[in-house]
Amino acid sequence: GIQVEQSPPDLILQEGANSTLRCNFSDSVNNLQWFHQNPWGQLINLFYIPSGTKQNGRLSATTVATERYSLLYISSSQTTDSGVYFCAVEQGGYSTLTFGKGTMLLVSP
Amino acid sequence: DAGVTQSPTHLIKTRGQQVTLRCSPKSGHDTVSWYQQALGQGPQFIFQYYEEEERQRGNFPDRFSGHQFPNYSSELNVNALLLGDSALYLCASSYFRDHGDEQYFGPGTRLTVT
Repeated sequence: GIQVEQSPPDLILQEGANSTLRCNFSDSVNNLQWFHQNPWGQLINLFYIPSGTKQNGRLSATTVATERYSLLYISSSQTTDSGVYFCAVEQGGYSTLTFGKGTMLLVSP
Repeated sequence: DAGVTQSPTHLIKTRGQQVTLRCSPKSGHDTVSWYQQALGQGPQFIFQYYEEEERQRGNFPDRFSGHQFPNYSSELNVNALLLGDSALYLCASSYFRDHGDEQYFGPGTRLTVT
């Protein structure tokens, strides 16, 4: 099956810093989503981005499908950005997601 | 617009027992998928229901079964619980168009097996 690798596995930032999270995948995909999992376990949709670039406030994402990677940018980080960020991809036509292992982000005041 | 809801929030069961978890999809969605998330891991796909039938299944034993009702809500049943079944169980819903549908997740049910 498809492999999804996220880096870095852990990231510690000071409030106000910028960061880039990376997601590499091993095969072509129909869909790529970025999620933020809060401390209570809720997966919050950040981006649905099978290709191209999108921006939402301080967050933006870019997927280069031909090179099989996606990047999530977080600017001016806040303590509420802490949590685990997951990249998930779908291939094969039934909208079932394969997740990476996540990047654990801790933003300190 | 109601999002995906799941019940119960937490559950504690004993080895060998059976458990049923419930999910109501986001309004307008017709497809429900279930995922298991062990501590420190990403969610793993269990199975997906569409038109009241299991459409696709991940690498999980037959102890894991499910159902989808005419109103698109779904249940996940696990029989003969093992300690290793302790995890966060997540339900996701989407509207089936062909492929690449955006998935929305519920808050999860945290199952502890003792």
